Amino acid sequence: EAQVTQNPRYLITVTGKKLTVTCSQNMNHEYMSWYRQDPGLGLRQIYYSMNVEVTDKGDVPEGYKVSRKEKRNFPLILESPSPNQTSLYFCASSLSLAGDTQYFGPGTRLTVL
Amino acid sequence: QKEVEQNSGPLSVPEGAIASLNCTYSDRGSQSFFWYRQYSGKSPELIMFIYSNGDKEDGRFTAQLNKASQYVSLLIRDSQPSDSATYLCAAHQGGKLIFGQGTELSVKP
Repeated sequence: EAQVTQNPRYLITVTGKKLTVTCSQNMNHEYMSWYRQDPGLGLRQIYYSMNVEVTDKGDVPEGYKVSRKEKRNFPLILESPSPNQTSLYFCASSLSLAGDTQYFGPGTRLTVL
Repeated sequence: QKEVEQNSGPLSVPEGAIASLNCTYSDRGSQSFFWYRQYSGKSPELIMFIYSNGDKEDGRFTAQLNKASQYVSLLIRDSQPSDSATYLCAAHQGGKLIFGQGTELSVKP
């Protein structure tokens, strides 16, 4: 089954404790992306990757890191989480971006205390 | 100014009516446009995309693009209660996908 998986689905952590949210897709997609969704602000892109070893900043990259060492995986790293990073996070992938269906993962709800 | 703007709603229509969802964008370099549907607590799912001026139809859904006016719309014909969701408009700009804040649609039986 074609899918994007994220782990964990729910996470409660404390300020400053490094964490990684994993994202994996099994569709051999080149384009992968991370978004955060906050009430009233919609989906905002954090980082995206056009292919292996190619990543770029989205609209809200501060406080986040990503890597793309393999085509299927695109982890999101919060080196020192803060309460303003409490949000719902989605990973997505597509063959390309122009005109291709972007498949979203199930989401990770993160709470930083 | 937000780059992609949508009416936040909620928009309420009776079952069987046409629901009209609107979106404007500020960057004339935007290359293509997407409409996603998101049910409460779920991930967004693509309804359709459009990149040429005019209309594009897919079943009960019609997307309309007017690049001169920087305007994208989604029409849902014969609206059903199952169409009740938040609809997200997005614009492709370079490698980025810029989303509007979403419009909540409620279809009343």
